[in-house]
Amino acid sequence: EVQLQQSGPELVKPGASVKMSCKASGYTFTSYVMHWVKQKPGQGLEWIGYINPYNDGTKYNEKFKGKATLTSDKSSSTAYMELSSLTSEDSAVYYCARSGGYFWFAYWGQGTLVTVSA
Amino acid sequence: DIKMTQSPSSMYASLGERVTITCKASQDIKSYLSWYQQKPWKSPKTLIYYATSLADGVPSRFSGSGSGQDYSLTISSLESDDTATYYCLQHGESPYTFGGGTKLEIK
Repeated sequence: EVQLQQSGPELVKPGASVKMSCKASGYTFTSYVMHWVKQKPGQGLEWIGYINPYNDGTKYNEKFKGKATLTSDKSSSTAYMELSSLTSEDSAVYYCARSGGYFWFAYWGQGTLVTVSA
Repeated sequence: DIKMTQSPSSMYASLGERVTITCKASQDIKSYLSWYQQKPWKSPKTLIYYATSLADGVPSRFSGSGSGQDYSLTISSLESDDTATYYCLQHGESPYTFGGGTKLEIK
């Protein structure tokens, strides 16, 4: 069974950074890209980017370049996303989602809530 | 960026009713279109991929159709468990973009 277990909620101060994780199990980690998606409270879904754990190749939505950094660790089958220079606009739930075939989202993590507040 | 226009933004329907949600892309996306269901306070669930393929474990009352710029998700006979917000996603060209969502409630 494919599972994506995301790290817990984060309360961070404006200007700080946060790094969240997405631990994968039930499949070969390096065989599928991992997407990251943002959802602000009461709003829709926004694609941030993806990482290919096979070669650590990344692709970002231009809107999130400089804001999000995607990495992965093959040894632990874990994908990471770091968000920098946080503002209130970054307060959201962030999901990781494993791709299916051609970049559609086959499986989703449970989400990590990030709250940016002084 | 490819814009995905989803309609309606919200709707009420009766149990047993046939429901259709549509998504129109700003350009041809060659069936790289998927559909997701999200219930309150839950992560999205994948329903349809490549416009018409049913994801594992999804009930057969859900179906997808379309090509080119125009796509639709149909629920053949609405059940109470289908109350949710539905999103389309184009995954043919980066940045991948979602529709604005359709909130479906039972009448």
